Amino acid sequence: DAKTTQPTSMDCAEGRAANLPCNHSTISGNEYVYWYRQIHSQGPQYIIHGLKNNETNEMASLIITEDRKSSTLILPHATLRDTAVYYCIVRVSRNSNSGYALNFGKGTSLLVTP
Amino acid sequence: NAGVTQTPKFRILKIGQSMTLQCTQDMNHNYMYWYRQDPGMGLKLIYYSVGAGITDKGEVPNGYNVSRSTTEDFPLRLELAAPSQTSVYFCASSVAGANTGELFFGEGSRLTVL
Repeated sequence: DAKTTQPTSMDCAEGRAANLPCNHSTISGNEYVYWYRQIHSQGPQYIIHGLKNNETNEMASLIITEDRKSSTLILPHATLRDTAVYYCIVRVSRNSNSGYALNFGKGTSLLVTP
Repeated sequence: NAGVTQTPKFRILKIGQSMTLQCTQDMNHNYMYWYRQDPGMGLKLIYYSVGAGITDKGEVPNGYNVSRSTTEDFPLRLELAAPSQTSVYFCASSVAGANTGELFFGEGSRLTVL
């Protein structure tokens, strides 16, 4: 699976959009971009994933560049409850010998301030 | 809907003791995983299972054993506890063939070895 690079930490004012970048310059054509978050030592929570088209759900939007070498997770109106570590992960989506096991790096620690 | 349940939530062990971390899921998921997370780090895969009776090693399996006799349960055994195994352990599950491959995590088991 391709390696990802994320900033160690970011700040965002409450109510503003939080834009979390991720670099995955070695991504392969069949690899998806996944985003998870982990709120204060709880188990990670799935947010969104995509292949090459932009995706949106009730939690966030995912913008993937045309060359697929980077992506941005957007939380449109950040709240204090969005303070968490956000993980960007790249892997194939289909079944593999390891199920859907994901490799979690250190992620980006997002602090939403009042 | 319980999801993924882990017990115990907290445990202190002495060096050389043994214990089992329990994990059960009620979503009829084929795939199950054990991760560990050291302070300030991402999650590392210890073992995974793609179905009852089938288990395989992840990135950091040394010092651990698993079994998968039923679809619901995936216990993690520490045979001779060492201080290096002080960590937070997360169990997760996912359903085979799912489009998203989303992992569902438990709340974690915090283990300290003294």
